[in-house]
Amino acid sequence: KAGVTQTPRYLIKTRGQQVTLSCSPISGHRSVSWYQQTPGQGLQFLFEYFSETQRNKGNFPGRFSGRQFSNSRSEMNVSTLELGDSALYLCASSPPTGGGTDTQYFGPGTRLTVL
Amino acid sequence: AQTVTQSQPEMSVQEAETVTLSCTYDTSESDYYLFWYKQPPSRQMILVIRQEAYKQQNATENRFSVNFQKAAKSFSLKISDSQLGDAAMYFCAYRRGAQKLVFGQGTRLTINP
Repeated sequence: KAGVTQTPRYLIKTRGQQVTLSCSPISGHRSVSWYQQTPGQGLQFLFEYFSETQRNKGNFPGRFSGRQFSNSRSEMNVSTLELGDSALYLCASSPPTGGGTDTQYFGPGTRLTVL
Repeated sequence: AQTVTQSQPEMSVQEAETVTLSCTYDTSESDYYLFWYKQPPSRQMILVIRQEAYKQQNATENRFSVNFQKAAKSFSLKISDSQLGDAAMYFCAYRRGAQKLVFGQGTRLTINP
């Protein structure tokens, strides 16, 4: 099976712009989670989608939003970018049922740089 | 709230030797899962090993094994016969059911040839 894919791998934006990141989960996985990784804050949970519904949400401002499509692909949007949004954004997917639903498999990440 | 603590920001080991990375966590739950993830310089987060809290037996995956002490809320990772490819950031993580993964701050492991 193909792994979790994320596009684009690298992005450079300027303050005030908005950005959309995409994540395609492992085939058959219905849960997609997003994490932000920075040197200062480490890995922080953004949100999780399951069957097109947001199931969990982290403590991020409303500028961060997401959605999931019927094919389980997910997008994450950040509006009005700030310098502090520069980070590696990781997407992870989980199997739908049975043992291992707890296990998340990660994509390669999207490196976002805000200038 | 659940927290995960990795007290060793950096570790180094000679190639072919054994190294143990420490992790402690705080939870009031009895049913949960613990993980070790590896993040090499390529930045891809790779699952190393997984432990169910209800299982007393420690998980093992080839050269990787854990020492799970539930009462002490300790979950250490032992890497035997260290190889150059083991060099990476290692993250300990906790998850309960379908809730978010909670990560520790990571331990940077260096393998000396």
